[in-house]
Amino acid sequence: LAKTTQPISMDSYEGQEVNITCSHNNIATNDYITWYQQFPSQGPRFIIQGYKTKVTNEVASLFIPADRKSSTLSLPRVSLSDTAVYYCLVGLNTDKLIFGTGTRLQVFP
Amino acid sequence: GAGVSQSPSNKVTEKGKDVELRCDPISGHTALYWYRQSLGQGLEFLIYFQGNSAPDKSGLPSDRFSAERTGESVSTLTIQRTQQEDSAVYLCASSLATRPDTQYFGPGTRLTVL
Repeated sequence: LAKTTQPISMDSYEGQEVNITCSHNNIATNDYITWYQQFPSQGPRFIIQGYKTKVTNEVASLFIPADRKSSTLSLPRVSLSDTAVYYCLVGLNTDKLIFGTGTRLQVFP
Repeated sequence: GAGVSQSPSNKVTEKGKDVELRCDPISGHTALYWYRQSLGQGLEFLIYFQGNSAPDKSGLPSDRFSAERTGESVSTLTIQRTQQEDSAVYLCASSLATRPDTQYFGPGTRLTVL
């Protein structure tokens, strides 16, 4: 199971772009990279997933370099409502997702 | 249903009592997971079901914790003789069997042991 490393916390202001990078040096060939978002008092919510290059949806973009040893979650023009904890997970062939402490994003007005 | 549901949303109990927490997964999701999250902490894996069998119980913290699942539907997490350190939010998630990396979480049950 690939171990991930991401910053403990980040601060931003409304309207800015936020990039959260996750390192996963021992990612396996068939592992996908998945990001979850968790608001206070709620369960985590799946936001984006990718295998390589770039994935974009209505919430975020995910950039994955060719070596796949890291990934960057990009949140365009954040608002106060994007204040949450963001978790990076790697692994497909596992029955146990390991959620680390995630990155606590605080958006200020 | 549209999503994973859990009940009760809040449970306050006295130390030493038994509690049962319930999870209703998304229809068609054969995999079901239980986690717990203490205040300000990350998620701690408890147990995983594939159908009604539990191939991975490695996360259960003690023999006071048990879980069962009926077919590919409802699951119950039981905590016997609750202790104050059991106080946490208990989260349930479900997924397709082939995509354990894409889990859908319920709102959780906040357990407080007095």
